[in-house]
Amino acid sequence: GQNIDQPTEMTATEGAIVQINCTYQTSGFNGLFWYQQHAGEAPTFLSYNVLDGLEEKGRFSSFLSRSKGYSYLLLKELQMKDSASYLCAVLDSNYQLIWGAGTKLIIKP
Amino acid sequence: DAMVIQNPRYQVTQFGKPVTLSCSQTLNHNVMYWYQQKSSQAPKLLFHYYDKDFNNEADTPDNFQSRRPNTSFCFLDIRSPGLGDAAMYLCATSRQSGSTDTQYFGPGTRLTVL
Repeated sequence: GQNIDQPTEMTATEGAIVQINCTYQTSGFNGLFWYQQHAGEAPTFLSYNVLDGLEEKGRFSSFLSRSKGYSYLLLKELQMKDSASYLCAVLDSNYQLIWGAGTKLIIKP
Repeated sequence: DAMVIQNPRYQVTQFGKPVTLSCSQTLNHNVMYWYQQKSSQAPKLLFHYYDKDFNNEADTPDNFQSRRPNTSFCFLDIRSPGLGDAAMYLCATSRQSGSTDTQYFGPGTRLTVL
């Protein structure tokens, strides 16, 4: 079967750095997406990785290791508005998006 | 601004009473998706349209139907909502199917079944 694993919940402090991990087992791989979802709202696109390595985009960075079936999302200089769920999703060999259940990130002052 | 619009944002219906959710897009994307998302769960793909070609997920109940009368609009019909159908329904679009194109989501419709 296909599986995406992420921690259910994480807590971090305003101004700090947090790393949200995602491991996956899918039939084929055509890239990995990270989405941010605030409570009661739609997911919004953050990043897409298909090659190994780190992609940096402002305060957010995303890393991929295809050989390990592993990705992480790194958030720096945390702000209260970063409190949200972060969803990892993998495009499988049929270009279907396989979604994780999301990691709820709680930011404390 | 180009976007994905869903109406209504909140919908309340009675058990067994048909309900229709709507989605429109100004992105001129070929593909439109409907997802169901329950609290703290991953979005679950119900079906998608590539242009006018309808693709139903194998485990989508017959209670759920969809229509896409033109490129811009897509509707989700729930014929006889049950209590278990209460969820957030998300519409998304992408330029192409079978590609790495990003999916862009509308704000969602939260459905309550009484």
